[in-house]
Amino acid sequence: GNSVTQMEGPVTLSEEAFLTINCTYTATGYPSLFWYVQYPGEGLQLLLKATKADDKGSNKGFEATYRKETTSFHLEKGSVQVSDSAVYFCALSDRSNSGYALNFGKGTSLLVTP
Amino acid sequence: DSGVTQTPKHLITATGQRVTLRCSPRSGDLSVYWYQQSLDQGLQFLIQYYNGEERAKGNILERFSAQQFPDLHSELNLSSLELGDSALYFCASSTPDGQPKGTDTQYFGPGTRLTVL
Repeated sequence: GNSVTQMEGPVTLSEEAFLTINCTYTATGYPSLFWYVQYPGEGLQLLLKATKADDKGSNKGFEATYRKETTSFHLEKGSVQVSDSAVYFCALSDRSNSGYALNFGKGTSLLVTP
Repeated sequence: DSGVTQTPKHLITATGQRVTLRCSPRSGDLSVYWYQQSLDQGLQFLIQYYNGEERAKGNILERFSAQQFPDLHSELNLSSLELGDSALYFCASSTPDGQPKGTDTQYFGPGTRLTVL
């Protein structure tokens, strides 16, 4: 079946450091790919998405490119801030019967220190 | 604020009991999804409803059931509760028009934290 694998956390970075969180997927067909972020005590918020190969999603300085050849959707940011501390989830859309669901990775916790 | 509301925010109950979690989707969204987030299982899809009808089923236990009402709000019913049912339950909504698509963005509510003692 479809699945998403994320790098294990926690990741600890100093402010203004470069961030990469790796995400690879296994899927039949051509799923859409998503990055969601969960701040402490809150629900999930969409960070960015890409719906076909070679698409680049971007938002708030974060970027990820849908790479079909390597089945990857790595999240990057050039300069992280303390406010970026959160848990990041990579996900793909999973077709089931006539509906869709999100299939999530286990999440990567990011802590940015001043 | 995603526009998705969930009540209650917290729920504490005992084993063997039954509870109902409520979700109101974003205005105009026709699909409602339920997810469970636990430390050991991570985020798991439970069930999807679209315009009042069940559309997709994930890892939902037989003790759990859901429905979507004509006003599009949804309820998740959990019965014969066990300690292992303690988790965060999220509702998400999508599909403002047409049929559900894999490209749809799902908007999540703040969740209901269920504690079973």
